[in-house]
Amino acid sequence: GAGVSQTPSNKVTEKGKYVELRCDPISGHTALYWYRQSLGQGPEFLIYFQGTGAADDSGLPNDRFFAVRPEGSVSTLKIQRTERGDSAVYLCASSLSSTYDEQFFGPGTRLTVL
Amino acid sequence: GENVEQHPSTLSVQEGDSAVIKCTYSDSASNYFPWYKQELGKGPQLIIDIRSNVGEKKDQRIAVTLNKTAKHFSLHITETQPEDSAVYFCAASIGGTYKYIFGTGTRLKVLA
Repeated sequence: GAGVSQTPSNKVTEKGKYVELRCDPISGHTALYWYRQSLGQGPEFLIYFQGTGAADDSGLPNDRFFAVRPEGSVSTLKIQRTERGDSAVYLCASSLSSTYDEQFFGPGTRLTVL
Repeated sequence: GENVEQHPSTLSVQEGDSAVIKCTYSDSASNYFPWYKQELGKGPQLIIDIRSNVGEKKDQRIAVTLNKTAKHFSLHITETQPEDSAVYFCAASIGGTYKYIFGTGTRLKVLA
């Protein structure tokens, strides 16, 4: 079956611009996670959704980052006033429910802020 | 705060040899330890995991061991093949939650 998909695969933007990154989880998965992966590092947790609600957004670095999942399926990560330090690969993962369920990762969106 | 250290950062082995990657974690409440393989341009893929109530788990050529007392866990790959070449990440759950702390990765190269 289809895995987690993310669009776009690459996004180049200028400092100060607004970007949206989309995640389409595996059908039927109620849990959705966003991670950020900087070059040479492991993924870093950003936010976790259970259904439509953000159950844990403790990993968001600051208030320029926001994510939504209005219908409990597709999620959008939104970054305002982008900074060069936001450049990274943004990974989305989904799991059947939550605790102890395997997290399936998408291919990521590589964000470059010039 | 919680931390996961992973060693080595790079590892080269001859095809057919074994590879071992080691991780240590700091959160004594961690109870779930997945290992991910990441190929270039792709997202991490779970290859094996272990829960804190067991000390070892094996799946064909891949095995993971866990020492809760020492807060160590290791990935063992036997009879390595060129297609095993990738970056491998260990992770530990924060307490009993869905939130993982990842190691910094090990780039494994299997030389034919």
